[in-house]
Amino acid sequence: DTVLTQSPALAVSPGERVSISCRASEGVNSYMHWYQQKPGQQPKLLIYKASNLASGVPARFSGSGSGTDFTLTIDPVEADDTATYFCQQSWNDPNTFGAGTKLELK
Amino acid sequence: QVQLKESGPGLVQPSETLSLTCTVSGFSLTSYSVSWVRQPSGKGPEWMGRMWYDGDTAYNSALKSRLSISRDTSKNQVFLKMNSLQTDDTGTYYCTRDQDYPDYWGQGVMVTVSS
Repeated sequence: DTVLTQSPALAVSPGERVSISCRASEGVNSYMHWYQQKPGQQPKLLIYKASNLASGVPARFSGSGSGTDFTLTIDPVEADDTATYFCQQSWNDPNTFGAGTKLELK
Repeated sequence: QVQLKESGPGLVQPSETLSLTCTVSGFSLTSYSVSWVRQPSGKGPEWMGRMWYDGDTAYNSALKSRLSISRDTSKNQVFLKMNSLQTDDTGTYYCTRDQDYPDYWGQGVMVTVSS
């Protein structure tokens, strides 16, 4: 299975820029997607196919990368962005998710 | 608008079978695929399997021997059955609408495997 590796946690101040990384154990083309999950809620799609902003998602969120290395960027970070962010690949079978990066605000 | 809602028992005895229903609205099961995804508390999600729009199915090989997914298009429902449940099957179970990725998720149903 394709393993997706994310940093466990990050802490940033409101107004700053933050980059959350996801590294795949094998190539996934551009089929990397990003989700935001707040406590007690279901995941919400932010970015699909590496760099496409999902409907209704603020332009503060952006995605980049291809192959094995991908990044979700939030600029500027707002207080409401406190959440866990997951990457997911749908190129290789089975689809797999990262363990998540917990974003905390200082 | 697109909605998915999971339903089923919150508590299952070890070694028994889990049965869940996903009821969808706002889209057709013959136009979109639906997946089941589960998430242990505090961990990343795990894709379990998919009901393709054409009626075909796909399963995570780690669960394939225990898992069955079916549908009733007249009722807009997708079903999950998984047997031989153990305590590490405890978690929140979601159904998702799929394109090349899950774009809409249900609210999830918490399933606890315990005697």
